[in-house]
Amino acid sequence: EAGVAQSPRYKIIEKRQSVAFWCNPISGHATLYWYQQILGQGPKLLIQFQNNGVVDDSQLPKDRFSAERLKGVDSTLKIQPAKLEDSAVYLCASSRGSSGANVLTFGAGSRLTVL
Amino acid sequence: QKEVEQNSGPLSVPEGAIASLNCTYSDRGSQSFFWYRQYSGKSPELIMSIYSNGDKEDGRFTAQLNKASQYVSLLIRDSQPSDSATYLCAVDTGRRALTFGSGTRLQVQP
Repeated sequence: EAGVAQSPRYKIIEKRQSVAFWCNPISGHATLYWYQQILGQGPKLLIQFQNNGVVDDSQLPKDRFSAERLKGVDSTLKIQPAKLEDSAVYLCASSRGSSGANVLTFGAGSRLTVL
Repeated sequence: QKEVEQNSGPLSVPEGAIASLNCTYSDRGSQSFFWYRQYSGKSPELIMSIYSNGDKEDGRFTAQLNKASQYVSLLIRDSQPSDSATYLCAVDTGRRALTFGSGTRLQVQP
């Protein structure tokens, strides 16, 4: 099966600019996650979707970050305006979302550098 | 207190030795436990999952879980230089999303 697709792989922007990341999960996976991984740290959950509904966005900085998952498939994560501390890798993951063990598969990630 | 704690390392072991990686978690309601491996510049990949107390073996990897002590470990037997990576412990506290530790960097010396 095809993996989780993400784009762009790399993005460099100036602070206060905006950026958007795109994710296409594994076919049939109902649950989609966006994680932020700052260098030297573990991934931190930003938002979790079940189909096209938000399950958990408690750690999403809503004053600057937004995410949507239209039609329960692809998702977009947007940052506007970006701050220096947003420099990180943004990882998209998906899982079947059914009962039982919840195994996440990650995409290659989108590396953001804010100057 | 962090939800999932790991020693950041680096943990250095000689080739062929056993590497022991440890993780503690704070939420007693946690149900599922995972070990991910992350090579530098790459995304995390799942190597082991464990759901009940005891040991689970898969090739050179053994995961151990002790829910009473809130402790998970990963043993890597016959360590190889290709095992050099950061190992992330992840816990499902029942919210379905995984909470990750900060990772332990493992270095296997040839």
